[in-house]
Amino acid sequence: DAGVIQSPRHEVTEMGQEVTLRCKPISGHNSLFWYRQTMMRGLELLIYFNNNVPIDDSGMPEDRFSAKMPNASFSTLKIQPSEPRDSAVYFCASRGGQIYGYTFGSGTRLTVV
Amino acid sequence: AQSVTQPDIHITVSEGASLELRCNYSYGATPYLFWYVQSPGQGLQLLLKYFSGDTLVQGIKGFEAEFKRSQSSFNLRKPSVHWSDAAEYFCAVGPTGGGNKLTFGTGTQLKVEL
Repeated sequence: DAGVIQSPRHEVTEMGQEVTLRCKPISGHNSLFWYRQTMMRGLELLIYFNNNVPIDDSGMPEDRFSAKMPNASFSTLKIQPSEPRDSAVYFCASRGGQIYGYTFGSGTRLTVV
Repeated sequence: AQSVTQPDIHITVSEGASLELRCNYSYGATPYLFWYVQSPGQGLQLLLKYFSGDTLVQGIKGFEAEFKRSQSSFNLRKPSVHWSDAAEYFCAVGPTGGGNKLTFGTGTQLKVEL
């Protein structure tokens, strides 16, 4: 299995631009999570899905952030418009039904200038 | 609300020395507990997990952790550290019953001196 696949690995964008981060979970995993990691705040859960349905988005910072999971094999996290304070590493993770520990992707390092 | 405390931000050990990374949790019942490791530029890799049963759990890369309910702790140990163990280590807690949200500690950065 290729694991959780995130793209792009690095993204540099200008303030005000739209940014879309992508995630392909492990096949058969029914839960998907988006985390943000910064030096100041550590790992923060932004949103998670069960069976493609958003369950808890209380960690999404504000309306500029949105996430979708149109099918079991793909999810996106979109920031529009982006701001410099959104600069962070964004991780996607998935979990299988009987395996509680998450499997993390390698992350997307986002820099907003 | 569940929470995790990792009191040591940085730890430095010599190669070959033993290691113990501390983790304390706050949760109303017996939680699910995890240790993850993150190498620079990488995602988090699961080292080990505790659900129930034997309170001493073995993980990958020679790591082990012991769940102590009376102390609300889940400390990570390794008898002999290798230079390749230098990384950041995260303790995490999740609710029993199959809930989804893991809460992570702030991490401990491990440096290994040769």
